[in-house]
Amino acid sequence: DVKVTQSSRYLVKRTGEKVFLECVQDMDHENMFWYRQDPGLGLRLIYFSYDVKMKEKGDIPEGYSVSREKKERFSLILESASTNQTSMYLCASTTGTVAYEQYFGPGTRLTVT
Amino acid sequence: GQQLNQSPQSMFIQEGEDVSMNCTSSSIFNTWLWYKQDPGEGPVLLIALYKAGELTSNGRLTAQFGITRKDSFLNISASIPSDVGIYFCHGGSQGNLIFGKGTKLSVKP
Repeated sequence: DVKVTQSSRYLVKRTGEKVFLECVQDMDHENMFWYRQDPGLGLRLIYFSYDVKMKEKGDIPEGYSVSREKKERFSLILESASTNQTSMYLCASTTGTVAYEQYFGPGTRLTVT
Repeated sequence: GQQLNQSPQSMFIQEGEDVSMNCTSSSIFNTWLWYKQDPGEGPVLLIALYKAGELTSNGRLTAQFGITRKDSFLNISASIPSDVGIYFCHGGSQGNLIFGKGTKLSVKP
């Protein structure tokens, strides 16, 4: 079974802090994604990556950056956390050949105070 | 940009009832997928559809890829309490990945 793990299930940070959310997948998937999930808004794509050191902006990249130094690991960075970044963050991965079937991690619920 | 309209937004189920939800779009998709998210967890893939008109079942779940490629539905037969959660549709086309806003299934009080 594909396993996607996220570094924390719950995180509380203060406004202005730099926040790192890490995601690791164990199935050698080429593609990795970061989404945020908010009530009534569904899943919105922040950034994705099709290869190591490669990144593409999604629909809502403002205030976020990403890093993919190794194939199995994709990090989401909040350079200066703000209260409107309080949300559930979901990481996902897919293979290159079946790129739409996404495997999600359990999510990180981030609260910025 | 592309958008998916998923309905209903929420519904209450009583054990044994059949449930139906759908997603529609003004855009054409090559793939339709359905996911379920349990409370506090990430979404899990239920069914993937790759051909227009395709009808696929997974246990009590049945999903169809609309013939126009602009819609899809998911049916759950004889619902049970563990069916509660949020169901998302997901359309894929030319590398674009669009999710519906979800249908939240709750148990009728």
